[in-house]
Amino acid sequence: GQNIDQPTEMTATEGAIVQINCTYQTSGFNGLFWYQQHAGEAPTFLSYNVLDGLEEKGRFSSFLSRSKGYSYLLLKELQMKDSASYLCAVLDSNYQLIWGAGTKLIIKP
Amino acid sequence: DAEITQSPRHKITETGRQVTLACHQTWNHNNMFWYRQDLGHGLRLIHYSYGVQDTNKGEVSDGYSVSRSNTEDLPLTLESAASSQTSVYFCASSGDSEAGELFFGEGSRLTVL
Repeated sequence: GQNIDQPTEMTATEGAIVQINCTYQTSGFNGLFWYQQHAGEAPTFLSYNVLDGLEEKGRFSSFLSRSKGYSYLLLKELQMKDSASYLCAVLDSNYQLIWGAGTKLIIKP
Repeated sequence: DAEITQSPRHKITETGRQVTLACHQTWNHNNMFWYRQDLGHGLRLIHYSYGVQDTNKGEVSDGYSVSRSNTEDLPLTLESAASSQTSVYFCASSGDSEAGELFFGEGSRLTVL
């Protein structure tokens, strides 16, 4: 079956760095996506990796290793507004998104 | 600005009633999706459409139906609402060249009593 695993919850301190991991086992791979979802709101697209390596976008970076079925989202200089759930999703061989359950990130002052 | 809107945002209904959730997008996207989101689960795909008159079942399609008569709209119908369908429903759309980059509506919270 298809499976995406990510931690349920993480806590970090304002101004610090946090890494949210995602491992996947899917039928085929056409890209890995990270979305941010604030409580009570819709998910919004953050980043996309299709090749191995690091993609940087301001304070957010996303890394992919296809051979290990592994990705992480790195958030630097954490701000209170970064408190949200972060969803990992893989585009499978049928070009369907398979979603992880999300990681709730709590930022403490 | 282009957008995707859902209505109603909140609805309470009774078991056995028919319910329709509306989704309207002005992105001119061919691809539209309906998901449900429940605690402890990832987003689960209910139905999707790749264009007018095209509809497909997702992993949790039982008890739901959709129709696509134009590019902008993909209404989701619950034929006979059940308590297990209490959830938050998200509509989303994407362009043909950005399969994984979805634009989501604000969500519709449905409670079935």
